[in-house]
Amino acid sequence: GIQVEQSPPDLILQEGANSTLRCNFSDSVNNLQWFHQNPWGQLINLFYIPSGTKQNGRLSATTVATERYSLLYISSSQTTDSGVYFCAVERAGTASKLTFGTGTRLQVTL
Amino acid sequence: DAGITQSPRYKITETGRQVTLMCHQTWSHSYMFWYRQDLGHGLRLIYYSAAADITDKGEVPDGYVVSRSKTENFPLTLESATRSQTSVYFCASSTTGGSSGRGNIQYFGAGTRLSVL
Repeated sequence: GIQVEQSPPDLILQEGANSTLRCNFSDSVNNLQWFHQNPWGQLINLFYIPSGTKQNGRLSATTVATERYSLLYISSSQTTDSGVYFCAVERAGTASKLTFGTGTRLQVTL
Repeated sequence: DAGITQSPRYKITETGRQVTLMCHQTWSHSYMFWYRQDLGHGLRLIYYSAAADITDKGEVPDGYVVSRSKTENFPLTLESATRSQTSVYFCASSTTGGSSGRGNIQYFGAGTRLSVL
């Protein structure tokens, strides 16, 4: 199956700092999503981004499908950004089966 | 707008017992999914369904059974629970699947924490 690697596995930031999270995948994809799991366990979709760049407030994401990676940028981090960020991909030709990475755990401190 | 709800939120059972986890969505989404989340593994797909009466296996289907007689419900049954099935289970839904653009976005329930003793 497709391999999804996220880095770094853990990240500690002070409030106001910027960060970049990376997702590498081993095969062509037709679906890539970023999720945030908050400290209470709820999973929220941040971006659907199989290619290109999108922005939503302080968050933005870029996927370079030809080079098989995606980046999630968090600017001016806030304590509410804490949690685990997951990248999930669907390999081209495998309809509907998302494969998740193991996540980046982010802690934002005051 | 209730969205997607899972019940129960917490469940403790014993090995060998049958357990059913419920998932209900109010959006009339075609696709529904069951995942389990374990430390070190992220989320792994157990089963998914493209529509009522259509289900398919995911990455880790052994020991689980699903059914989907109605679009809005997608129960997951552990026929004979084992300790290795102790996990957090998430249900999700999406409008569409495959290369269907933003319809692929998956929306998750709050999860069910299951402990098998």
